[in-house]
Amino acid sequence: AQSVSQHNHHVILSEAASLELGCNYSYGGTVNLFWYVQYPGQHLQLLLKYFSGDPLVKGIKGFEAEFIKSKFSFNLRKPSVQWSDTAEYFCAVKAGSSASKIIFGSGTRLSIRP
Amino acid sequence: TAGITQAPTSQILAAGRSMTLRCTQDMRHNAMYWYRQDLGLGLRLIHYSNTAGTTGKGEVPDGYSVSRANTDDFPLTLASAVPSQTSVYFCASRLDRDVGELFFGEGSRLTVL
Repeated sequence: AQSVSQHNHHVILSEAASLELGCNYSYGGTVNLFWYVQYPGQHLQLLLKYFSGDPLVKGIKGFEAEFIKSKFSFNLRKPSVQWSDTAEYFCAVKAGSSASKIIFGSGTRLSIRP
Repeated sequence: TAGITQAPTSQILAAGRSMTLRCTQDMRHNAMYWYRQDLGLGLRLIHYSNTAGTTGKGEVPDGYSVSRANTDDFPLTLASAVPSQTSVYFCASRLDRDVGELFFGEGSRLTVL
């Protein structure tokens, strides 16, 4: 069965630091990949997605992610974080063109020190 | 505004009672999903529906049932609630099984005592 791993459970950074959150999935075929953000007390919102094409994907609020097929990874990056980036970040995968399920990782809580 | 509406926002329920969480979307999306969110476990898929009239089991379907009588509504029913079903429940929709991203509702916080 497909699975998604987010190894960083809680990341603490200072403002202006660079960010990289890891996401690995277990599926060898075609995948759709997503990063969602959940700000405190809110529902999930899409940051970016990858379906095909350029493996470097640009999202909202300065976030980007790179799909590396050989590593089964889709890491999220931001060159300079802001206090307002404090949130929980979820990686999600839809494995296979005929799959119905979108499976989420356990999430990474990001805390930014002002 | 257009989107997904969930009700109730919050509910406290005695163990053994039944409960239906309601979800309605006005985007004419074909695919709909129910997830539960628990600390340290992220979101886990309970049930899904690719189109009206069809449903499927997700990662954690036991103790839950769904129906999809029409495109807009996708209620989630707990027939006999247990404390382990205490969670925040999110309904989501997608244009189609293979198209687009998930849009989420605001969530329903359920506490089973």
